Amino acid sequence: SQTIHQWPATLVQPVGSPLSLECTVEGTSNPNLYWYRQAAGRGLQLLFYSVGIGQISSEVPQNLSASRPQDRQFILSSKKLLLSDSGFYLCAWSPLLAGSTDTQYFGPGTRLTVL
Amino acid sequence: AQSVAQPEDQVNVAEGNPLTVKCTYSVSGNPYLFWYVQYPNRGLQFLLKYITGDNLVKGSYGFEAEFNKSQTSFHLKKPSALVSDSALYFCAVRDTWDSNYQLIWGAGTKLIIKP
Repeated sequence: SQTIHQWPATLVQPVGSPLSLECTVEGTSNPNLYWYRQAAGRGLQLLFYSVGIGQISSEVPQNLSASRPQDRQFILSSKKLLLSDSGFYLCAWSPLLAGSTDTQYFGPGTRLTVL
Repeated sequence: AQSVAQPEDQVNVAEGNPLTVKCTYSVSGNPYLFWYVQYPNRGLQFLLKYITGDNLVKGSYGFEAEFNKSQTSFHLKKPSALVSDSALYFCAVRDTWDSNYQLIWGAGTKLIIKP
């Protein structure tokens, strides 16, 4: 079966510090990968998605970036955090298959607080 | 334009009563429709999806949803609510005419089940 991991679970960082959040998927190959941010426990904002190694699409211009160095690894980064980067960050994957219905499966999330 | 609406910010139901969480959508092509549930400080869990076929879809934890093409709706239902059903519920749609791999998400509905 497939599993998705995110770490760390919680993170408190000062404004201006760098960020690196990691997401890994097990039990599948060539997944689509996604980074979402959820503010104030509500709506989901798609930040990045990737259909393959080194292929990243950005949905929202901001001071965040994403990378996919391996097939099942997705990293969210920032060089300098802003207060507005605080939130709950969710990684998700979906099968990259012909005829796939694109059901997305989510990781446990990382709670980021920028002070 | 593609969109999903969850018209109720919060739904309150007494334990044992039936519950309905509403979702309407707008897409250009045929929809794939999804429901997810999120418990506090957790990632989203997939509940059920409609792809094609029977308009009544059964999912996890006794939930079901009815696809209504004429009303462009996909309401989530459960015959008898449990206190443990209290959570945040998200509806999402994929437009099959859209070539990207993204889901369009509703803003979420907070479901509160009172004992």
